[in-house]
Amino acid sequence: GAVVSQHPSRVICKSGTSVKIECRSLDFQATTMFWYRQFPKQSLMLMATSNEGSKATYEQGVEKDKFLINHASLTLSTLTVTSAHPEDSSFYICSASWGSGELFFGEGSRLTVL
Amino acid sequence: AQSVTQLGSHVSVSEGALVLLRCNYSSSVPPYLFWYVQYPNQGLQLLLKYTTGATLVKGINGFEAEFKKSETSFHLTKPSAHMSDAAEYFCAVSLRSNDYKLSFGAGTTVTVRA
Repeated sequence: GAVVSQHPSRVICKSGTSVKIECRSLDFQATTMFWYRQFPKQSLMLMATSNEGSKATYEQGVEKDKFLINHASLTLSTLTVTSAHPEDSSFYICSASWGSGELFFGEGSRLTVL
Repeated sequence: AQSVTQLGSHVSVSEGALVLLRCNYSSSVPPYLFWYVQYPNQGLQLLLKYTTGATLVKGINGFEAEFKKSETSFHLTKPSAHMSDAAEYFCAVSLRSNDYKLSFGAGTTVTVRA
């Protein structure tokens, strides 16, 4: 099946710093990528939808200035958590689609903000 | 709006025993329903999905699920558990077959005892 890779898988940062998480589709061109956030023992929550070359569409309640999403190419989307704080600590998952009707998920990135 | 409730955050079964994971949904329109599996340190993988037609859906690895509209349920079963079935399982719902705005359940962790 199609492969989506996230990097880094784990990141620890100090409060106030910014962290970038990459999501790459390794063997297909992803017209659309999605970013989710997952709290322990809770559902995956869709944060935003990004289409290559256009601005991301954020879900209600998600801070656009806090979570910057860029989809600069058909194989790469990035999520930057700006001025991170401990409450931003979470598991972030991306998924990608090329229009086949199926989503392909990355392995997830665990962010810990100290 | 749609939502999903997975009953039981953790299920433990003996190898060879029946696996039953419960999922109930809420949707204002006929839903599309999905089951995903996540193995440790890997992305989510689609097990099966229900869109229209036959209410009993067969998926990969011997899993199947039955859509019961009267019970608003989409429970996942496998007749005989294998050690390799140990993973996290997510039920999800969307309003359209190719609508990637999935609403996920909180997930159920399956452990298999030898």
